[in-house]
Amino acid sequence: QKEVEQDPGPLSVPEGAIVSLNCTYSNSAFQYFMWYRQYSRKGPELLMYTYSSGNKEDGRFTAQVDKSSKYISLFIRDSQPSDSATYLCAMSYLTGGGNKLTFGTGTQLKVEL
Amino acid sequence: DAGVIQSPRHEVTEMGQEVTLRCKPISGHDYLFWYRQTMMRGLELLIYFNNNVPIDDSGMPEDRFSAKMPNASFSTLKIQPSEPRDSAVYFCASSPSGGPPLMEQYFGPGTRLTVT
Repeated sequence: QKEVEQDPGPLSVPEGAIVSLNCTYSNSAFQYFMWYRQYSRKGPELLMYTYSSGNKEDGRFTAQVDKSSKYISLFIRDSQPSDSATYLCAMSYLTGGGNKLTFGTGTQLKVEL
Repeated sequence: DAGVIQSPRHEVTEMGQEVTLRCKPISGHDYLFWYRQTMMRGLELLIYFNNNVPIDDSGMPEDRFSAKMPNASFSTLKIQPSEPRDSAVYFCASSPSGGPPLMEQYFGPGTRLTVT
């Protein structure tokens, strides 16, 4: 079983829809939770991060962490065609060795006009 | 800042040949990471360095893979000999040290490797 599980999609929604992307994980030591966005043929870029449980909002994006359920979510409101990309969740915990990230496989999102 | 620079962007080679991928991290970043991305396995960490020293190479698939970081501004990932199953996109990323959110890793554009 992988440490981080993510539905690969693809997920297709109409413009303006609310999008919900999710990951589950098995390692209870994870403390930091991130969402990266990757456009086609580009490298991933950090979208949002949260520490421990709770919500964090940034414009149209909301990240949510439920450590008791080992479940994280990313919500996108008023989705736009420019949001079409692959979204990867990533997680880490601080160790003496530094900031090693474990990624989900990514969910491909397409927002249609 | 130019961001993380990787070369070549595309590499096509025959099975058995040596492949060398190159990376220039963002100036001032203490950490450098090498990842491999495939449809089946997603983004996998191969190895990472801190201040040019390898910290964790547990993700390196086998002895055919090796990575070096001779100085703060250059790293290589070498595959010798290459095999078709090595075909993937290889990303280099760098990050600064310090407190949270120290895990913001900046990715390069990737090298798309095809081994025939």
